[in-house]
Amino acid sequence: DAMVIQNPRYQVTQFGKPVTLSCSQTLNHNVMYWYQQKSSQAPKLLFHYYDKDFNNEADTPDNFQSRRPNTSFCFLDIRSPGLGDAAMYLCATSRGSRRGPTNEKLFFGSGTQLSVL
Amino acid sequence: KQEVTQIPAALSVPEGENLVLNCSFTDSAIYNLQWFRQDPGKGLTSLLLIQSSQREQTSGRLNASLDKSSGRSTLYIAASQPGDSATYLCAVLMDSNYQLIWGAGTKLIIKP
Repeated sequence: DAMVIQNPRYQVTQFGKPVTLSCSQTLNHNVMYWYQQKSSQAPKLLFHYYDKDFNNEADTPDNFQSRRPNTSFCFLDIRSPGLGDAAMYLCATSRGSRRGPTNEKLFFGSGTQLSVL
Repeated sequence: KQEVTQIPAALSVPEGENLVLNCSFTDSAIYNLQWFRQDPGKGLTSLLLIQSSQREQTSGRLNASLDKSSGRSTLYIAASQPGDSATYLCAVLMDSNYQLIWGAGTKLIIKP
């Protein structure tokens, strides 16, 4: 089945040690998103790509970077994780238009639970 | 600024009951509204998407309605089952960008 796959499912890193989370999709969707979700909170959009066009949310810390080398893959890099970055990181995809959003559902991966020691 | 509110924050009902989850939003100029389900420690699954021009959408035992003028949406679950236990979130998309505005969710427990 076509899907959004996130690896790893659980990631433990040390304070200040760079970490990379990965996401792949077989849906051939042109929009990919990274969300951060802390316990009992709604997801918070960090950034999204329309094709290779990167869109950073204004309040996303500089500590968070992303790469999208091709349509299928997207990476989230946390350069110097702090204790406050411990969270579930969710990747999502959708079909979009260069003119803006469309009436297409978002498809989420199962998430990567990041712990910072 | 758009704000999305979900009431109640938690709901516990016996199996078999029909139930309604509520979502309200402050700015009626939405592009669409989605209802999502999230199981503990998992990602989100989009259940229903209602376009701004639509009044309702149905999928199996789920029915979602949208009243833009009053800034409200409801998710109706018929004949609830223990497997329906999850957190349900609604999110609205404005026509200006790709960012969804999320409610805080309703945690639903269906007791056998």
